[in-house]
Amino acid sequence: GEDVEQSLFLSVREGDSSVINCTYTDSSSTYLYWYKQEPGAGLQLLTYIFSNMDMKQDQRLTVLLNKKDKHLSLRIADTQTGDSAIYFCAESRTKAAGNKLTFGGGTRVLVKP
Amino acid sequence: DAGVTQSPTHLIKTRGQQVTLRCSPKSGHDTVSWYQQALGQGPQFIFQYYEEEERQRGNFPDRFSGHQFPNYSSELNVNALLLGDSALYLCASSSYASGGLRAQYFGPGTRLTVL
Repeated sequence: GEDVEQSLFLSVREGDSSVINCTYTDSSSTYLYWYKQEPGAGLQLLTYIFSNMDMKQDQRLTVLLNKKDKHLSLRIADTQTGDSAIYFCAESRTKAAGNKLTFGGGTRVLVKP
Repeated sequence: DAGVTQSPTHLIKTRGQQVTLRCSPKSGHDTVSWYQQALGQGPQFIFQYYEEEERQRGNFPDRFSGHQFPNYSSELNVNALLLGDSALYLCASSSYASGGLRAQYFGPGTRLTVL
């Protein structure tokens, strides 16, 4: 079955690192994504990782993938107040007909000055 | 380069009515997916259109239907609205030619309220 789970809330001080965790159950997932949603807005694609990779770094963002444990994390270095938002992880399986995304419930990140 | 656009931004309907939401994909994209996001939850996949055909469908009733036009834009129609249909409806576009990745880029959404 398909299930993606995230913790609900994370509070972090400005300048510290944030780590947001996600677990998924579908072993046939091919791509895993992180999206950011600010209040009243749509979803912004932050980064993604292919399932045969274990790490990807993109400026302040580092994605770690433990495929054995089906665990994905997003680390944000030097967290800023503008990073306050809801973060969603999502997985997809490539199919000839398309690639629907299955999302977690989101982690609300609050950055305190 | 325009991103994904959706209209209208907000909509208020009453139970039993019908609604049509519209989406224009990002330039260069040919695939449109629709998602429903209830308050406080993650988005749920409704369906995906490519080459003017529904290619994949999530666990939504037949009251939810769609269409894709030759210019790749898309509509989502919901008939016989229920209170539980109140949500943010998100459109996402992607490029089929990009192979396995097919990263989806989202529009700002349409907030539907059913009274």
